[in-house]
Amino acid sequence: EPEVTQTPSHQVTQMGQEVILRCVPISNHLYFYWYRQILGQKVEFLVSFYNNEISEKSEIFDDQFSVERPDGSNFTLKIRSTKLEDSAMYFCASIEGGETQYFGPGTRLLVL
Amino acid sequence: SQQGEEDPQALSIQEGENATMNCSYKTSINNLQWYRQNSGRGLVHLILIRSNEREKHSGRLRVTLDTSKKSSSLLITASRAADTASYFCATVRVTGANSKLTFGKGITLSVRP
Repeated sequence: EPEVTQTPSHQVTQMGQEVILRCVPISNHLYFYWYRQILGQKVEFLVSFYNNEISEKSEIFDDQFSVERPDGSNFTLKIRSTKLEDSAMYFCASIEGGETQYFGPGTRLLVL
Repeated sequence: SQQGEEDPQALSIQEGENATMNCSYKTSINNLQWYRQNSGRGLVHLILIRSNEREKHSGRLRVTLDTSKKSSSLLITASRAADTASYFCATVRVTGANSKLTFGKGITLSVRP
């Protein structure tokens, strides 16, 4: 069964460093999402992406964040200068055009 | 906001018992979905119910939706120890090309063997 994959599974970085989180959505899906979950808290929407552009972003998704679909398979989330409060689990999700979003296993980011 | 809010926050039951989890939300929705998350892992989609539906079943899962009360419930029948996880409701309001999920805080279910 097709699934969303994410790499790396864990990443530790120093505050102020740039990180790139990678996702490979399900191949025929058209809509892509990033969510994050701070430890012990709820899952929060960051950004949605369709037709090579951002369709919606949350207040969390400030200028330090960017997304890109550099080729036909990858979907990346970049944090330019990480802060301590960026430590969280980051989930990628994709959808074909229906209603069910399929989530990847997540990348656990720890900013020291 | 149209956040889903679940209750109870934590539920502990004996294997074989039924588990009922509730979710309330604030604004109109297109559909409501329930997800499961094992500790520190990804989100697994369980079931979706549309705003014009009142009840759906999938295996041991039964979900109801009352749009007049803006609430939903997830029932897991004949629970198993493997059902131990966090459960989240998430509402969807489709706007144009976007159908973002808005999650509640989750319910921690513990099923004792």
